[in-house]
Formats: sequence, structure tokens, C-alpha cells
Amino acid sequence: SAVISQKPSRDICQRGTSLTIQCQVDSQVTMMFWYRQQPGQSLTLIATANQGSEATYESGFVIDKFPISRPNLTFSTLTVSNMSPEDSSIYLCSAGIQGTGANVLTFGAGSRLTVL
Amino acid sequence: KNEVEQSPQNLTAQEGEFITINCSYSVGISALHWLQQHPGGGIVSLFMLSSGKKKHGRLIATINIQEKHSSLHITASHPRDSAVYICAVDKTSGSRLTFGEGTQLTVNP
Repeated sequence: SAVISQKPSRDICQRGTSLTIQCQVDSQVTMMFWYRQQPGQSLTLIATANQGSEATYESGFVIDKFPISRPNLTFSTLTVSNMSPEDSSIYLCSAGIQGTGANVLTFGAGSRLTVL
Repeated sequence: KNEVEQSPQNLTAQEGEFITINCSYSVGISALHWLQQHPGGGIVSLFMLSSGKKKHGRLIATINIQEKHSSLHITASHPRDSAVYICAVDKTSGSRLTFGEGTQLTVNP
């Protein structure tokens, strides 16, 4: 399975600023996803990062707040824009290769974001 | 009501005990995933199931599609098994997962 390098692992940010999180995969993958995990809660899917086109966002998430790039099959970024304390969460990416009954996903180590 | 429900929310066991974590879902799925999250936040994919049973080491996962239920079993539990175990379902076969709330497992020596 693929190996993902996610960075930064953690950051402390000021209200109103933006932060970009990167995920680099060691092999080409067909699927990449971004998730949020708010304190004490489970994961929520933010969006599917599509290579060469706009990301597909889940209900409750919008491109202006969480712009996503995926310029190739091994790399994606998520930006958390105009941050507020409510954006303090762990953000994770995952990647996988779509296949018949074999959509095994690998997850990044997560980026723990604290907004003051 | 959540589409994916896990029980129990918290589980404390003594080393060596047999552990079962349950997951029920209310939607049609193409696959169900069991994930393990350690305190640092990193997530490891344990199993992906669409039917039957899978085993890896001391871990066993089963799924009953008709009853919309899956279980994760840990045999001979060890303190290093302490983690949050998360059940997630794929409704679309595109790996856009819906997650359960997780089960916090603590195994005491």
C-alpha cells in the first residue's frame, strides 16, 4: 500500500490567517481525500481531491473555506482559510487506488491545528 | 440518528482478554472499513470487508450484510492494542467514507 507524508504535523495559528497542509504519496494513486476530526469527535469527510479538476466537496464544506489542489497523482494540498478557533482540529488525508473490491486506503499521520 | 453506530463507546479490558467491538449501519454499503487511531492521531487501516470474515494476526473482522452489522474481535489483548477503533462505511464504492464515533479501548497490564 501507499505511504503518505503529511505536513505540517502540527501548527498554532492566529485567527484570520490561512494554513496549507500538504500530502505527498510515494506512488501514483487514483483517489485522495481530506478529512477533519474536531476535538473528541470522529472523522468527517471534507472533500475528494480530483486530479486536474476542482475538488468534490461534501455537504457543509465549501471551496472558499477549504480550497484543495491536486496537480498530479501523488500530491494534494488543503488550505484552511480565514481561520477561527472553531477550525482547531486534526486534518488528515488519505489515498488509495480504486479497484474492484479493493479500495484499501492509506492515511496520513494528520495535522493538528490550533487556532488562537 | 447516525448512519454508523458503534458500541461500546469506551471499553476497558485486562491484558489477555478477548475483546469485541460492534458496528451497525443503516445504509446500503459497498464495503466496511475498520480503522485504528493512536493517541498521536495517525490512522491505520486494519480491514476492508464486503462480506464474510477476515483475520490478521490477533484481529478478526466479520460482517453480516443482511443484518447490517460488523464486529471487530481482538484475541489475547495487549496494552499496545489501546487505541480508538473506528468503523467506516463506503456507500458509493468510491471510498467516500462515513465514520462511526469510534470506540476507545484501554487494555491494562
